[in-house]
Amino acid sequence: AQRVTQPEKLLSVFKGAPVELKCNYSYSGSPELFWYVQYSRQRLQLLLRHISRESIKGFTADLNKGETSFHLKKPFAQEEDSAMYYCALINQAGTALIFGKGTTLSVSS
Amino acid sequence: ETGVTQSPTHLIKTRGQQVTLRCSSQSGHNTVSWYQQALGQGPQFIFQYYREEENGRGNFPPRFSGLQFPNYSSELNVNALELDDSALYLCASSFRGGANTGELFFGEGSRLTVL
Repeated sequence: AQRVTQPEKLLSVFKGAPVELKCNYSYSGSPELFWYVQYSRQRLQLLLRHISRESIKGFTADLNKGETSFHLKKPFAQEEDSAMYYCALINQAGTALIFGKGTTLSVSS
Repeated sequence: ETGVTQSPTHLIKTRGQQVTLRCSSQSGHNTVSWYQQALGQGPQFIFQYYREEENGRGNFPPRFSGLQFPNYSSELNVNALELDDSALYLCASSFRGGANTGELFFGEGSRLTVL
């Protein structure tokens, strides 16, 4: 079965603290994984993809096939990082994204 | 560059009625996908259209149907509405054949309430 699990519904941190948003997946083969973000009153948008191995807005995510995880990390959270974050993978047919339920990140000063 | 636009933004229907939601793809995109997002859940794939044909379908009954037009705009039709169809319906466009597989550009959604 193809599935994405985000175990935390809400993550609250203080500004400057490290952030780790957890994502675990179930997939046969080599998955393509993504993080999407939705800021307040904005549309859902791509944050980063594991293939690119890039850092966007200070966020990075490493694919760990052994632990079937793709956690999103940032060393120092900013208030503007407050948003809903969704982890997603492409289905076997390559036609759809399978999303997790999302984690709300709240960064306070 | 024009982004994905959806209409209407909000609508209320009663059980048993039919609804049509519309989507204009982002300029240059040839693929459109529809997702249903219930409250507190992540988006769930309904179907994808490419070259005016259904190219993949999620676990949704046949009363969910769609169309893609030559200009790549799209419609989502839902017949015999049920209370559980109440959700935010998201349209997403993308370019099939490029290197950016999985990069979807979402609209703001149409919020459907079924009473």
